[in-house]
Amino acid sequence: QITLKESGPTLVKPTQTLTLTCTFSGFSLSTTGVAVGWIRQPPGKALEWLALIYWDDDKRYSPSLKSRLTITKDTSKNQVVLTITNMDPVDTATYYCAHRGFRGFDSWGQGTLVTVSS
Amino acid sequence: QSVLTQPPSASGTPGQRVIISCSGSNSNIGDNLVNWYQQFPGTAPKLLIYSNNQRPSGVPARFSGSKSGTSASLAISGLQSDDEADYYCAAWDDSLNGPVFGGGTKLTVL
Repeated sequence: QITLKESGPTLVKPTQTLTLTCTFSGFSLSTTGVAVGWIRQPPGKALEWLALIYWDDDKRYSPSLKSRLTITKDTSKNQVVLTITNMDPVDTATYYCAHRGFRGFDSWGQGTLVTVSS
Repeated sequence: QSVLTQPPSASGTPGQRVIISCSGSNSNIGDNLVNWYQQFPGTAPKLLIYSNNQRPSGVPARFSGSKSGTSASLAISGLQSDDEADYYCAAWDDSLNGPVFGGGTKLTVL
């Protein structure tokens, strides 16, 4: 059974850097074809993909946010970390991490709400 | 502004069949597989349909997906009150080199 859980601060100030950790179990990020992605959802709005990291350390970023995003993995700890620099109130959202296999994002974490406010 | 276009809302009465559309382009739906996700308020999205028309284990056969050209559809037959949720389509986009989502459709069961 695959499980994922997001952790990190619930409140950040504008211009600060946000660091979110996704801790997972039930799969290995060293298995061929596997990836973990980050997706966010502002309150009342649609899902927005942010970043993706593959088993071979290939990384993909949303073009609109690429300059602010960094995704890394620690296979030994079963963790994926996303950092977002220069946070702004418009970045207020629930941030999800998800397992991506051949079926797409087939398992999701519960999400963590991050509010950006001074 | 989402890359994939969905109607913001849809509705139906119990027992009816409802279809939710998702429109894209050659770089996403036209050349790649489509997934659908179901999301209830305050919860994470759940994979409902993958590879255009495949249902994960546990998803009722009332839910079906199809794709034609640069558009896709999710059909829900025998509508139930429990189906009231937000539905999102998604596909890989070759131009953006990543997955894209639709704007979501809020389904109301009248």
